[in-house]
Amino acid sequence: TQLLEQSPQFLSIQEGENLTVYCNSSSVFSSLQWYRQEPGEGPVLLVTVVTGGEVKKLKRLTFQFGDARKDSSLHITAAQPGDTGLYLCAGASGYALNFGKGTSLLVTP
Amino acid sequence: DAGVIQSPRHEVTEMGQEVTLRCKPISGHDYLFWYRQTMMRGLELLIYFNNNVPIDDSGMPEDRFSAKMPNASFSTLKIQPSEPRDSAVYFCASSLQRNTEAFFGQGTRLTVV
Repeated sequence: TQLLEQSPQFLSIQEGENLTVYCNSSSVFSSLQWYRQEPGEGPVLLVTVVTGGEVKKLKRLTFQFGDARKDSSLHITAAQPGDTGLYLCAGASGYALNFGKGTSLLVTP
Repeated sequence: DAGVIQSPRHEVTEMGQEVTLRCKPISGHDYLFWYRQTMMRGLELLIYFNNNVPIDDSGMPEDRFSAKMPNASFSTLKIQPSEPRDSAVYFCASSLQRNTEAFFGQGTRLTVV
């Protein structure tokens, strides 16, 4: 099992601030997915990145896949309380996804 | 489609009892996954099926755990006998193809006392 390390583990910020969370591994992945999980629910896909160096934007969220396809970052601009949740990265290798432990984000008004 | 459906949502059982978790994947999805989520270990892959056939069960923690998929619309995860350390949220997920978007159910929160 390829390990995915996510940092920081916890993050508490105020509305309007910017933040970046990271997902790192020593393994190469064919693709990497980012999910958000809200309390009492299952994770929901935000984005999939496939090409090394790829950047994808989803409104205020910017996702980047490292050139070597071993790491990824998620940047949120002007965070809002609705962004609160657990952000999980998942690496695709073989037939299944392996998940990091996630970054728990709390955005307060 | 109603999405991935898991039952029960919550299960409280006594140590030593048998527990069966159920999952109905999205129709047409060829892959089904069982995950376990805890604070300490995060989201762990237990086992996955492709076209109802178990492909990799290396994540199943012990022989007390077993999973079946008798048809394309139903899967079970059984723990017998259950132990307090099995307490966790168990998720079922399905996907259309390998390494594509995984659609998760709402999970079953298992508490073994």
